[in-house]
Amino acid sequence: AQKITQTQPGMFVQEKEAVTLDCTYDTSDPSYGLFWYKQPSSGEMIFLIYQGSYDQQNATEGRYSLNFQKARKSANLVISASQLGDSAMYFCAMREGPGNFNKFYFGSGTKLNVKP
Amino acid sequence: GAVVSQHPSRVICKSGTSVKIECRSLDFQATTMFWYRQFPKQSLMLMATSNEGSKATYEQGVEKDKFLINHASLTLSTLTVTSAHPEDSSFYICSARGTATSRPEGQYFGPGTRLTVL
Repeated sequence: AQKITQTQPGMFVQEKEAVTLDCTYDTSDPSYGLFWYKQPSSGEMIFLIYQGSYDQQNATEGRYSLNFQKARKSANLVISASQLGDSAMYFCAMREGPGNFNKFYFGSGTKLNVKP
Repeated sequence: GAVVSQHPSRVICKSGTSVKIECRSLDFQATTMFWYRQFPKQSLMLMATSNEGSKATYEQGVEKDKFLINHASLTLSTLTVTSAHPEDSSFYICSARGTATSRPEGQYFGPGTRLTVL
């Protein structure tokens, strides 16, 4: 079974509007971390936001917030007030276990296009 | 934040030759490094995990004799693609983790190396 599922291959959003990128995960480990990365056309992976499985509150980082619904095993990324520079690939990822050295599982990605 | 560099950023080689890609942690000691491969419009696929001073652990389906990984020091890991063929053309990304990383993700990605095999 897929560890991370991103069902939206591509999304369009109007500049200044909010957009939600979906991510569901599958794990039986009670301790895990969920991550979102942005990958512009240059290829670099840019860390956006992190949510730990034991965190009580949804993570927020500036215009990024993570809608963490543990029972549904979803970790959707919400980008508020979209900007043209947000156009990129977005990857959801999971690390199982408490260790900081465990491997990551990546979703297939969502290509976001922000329209002026 | 922590910086990871990769060299070269782009390489074109002839079929049958070997190519070495370097991954360096510039301001922290990387006890663990990961090598990923990304085909166009696809996700990152983990190839192998390397710990400093020990042999790399390869993911299922990755040929260890073709993709040689050496993590000789706490700041350098190398990936050598031996006898490269056109199907090895891809974007190779490393990430590094160390004991001193303060962020929860504890993993820092390099900028990637685009390999084209003619």
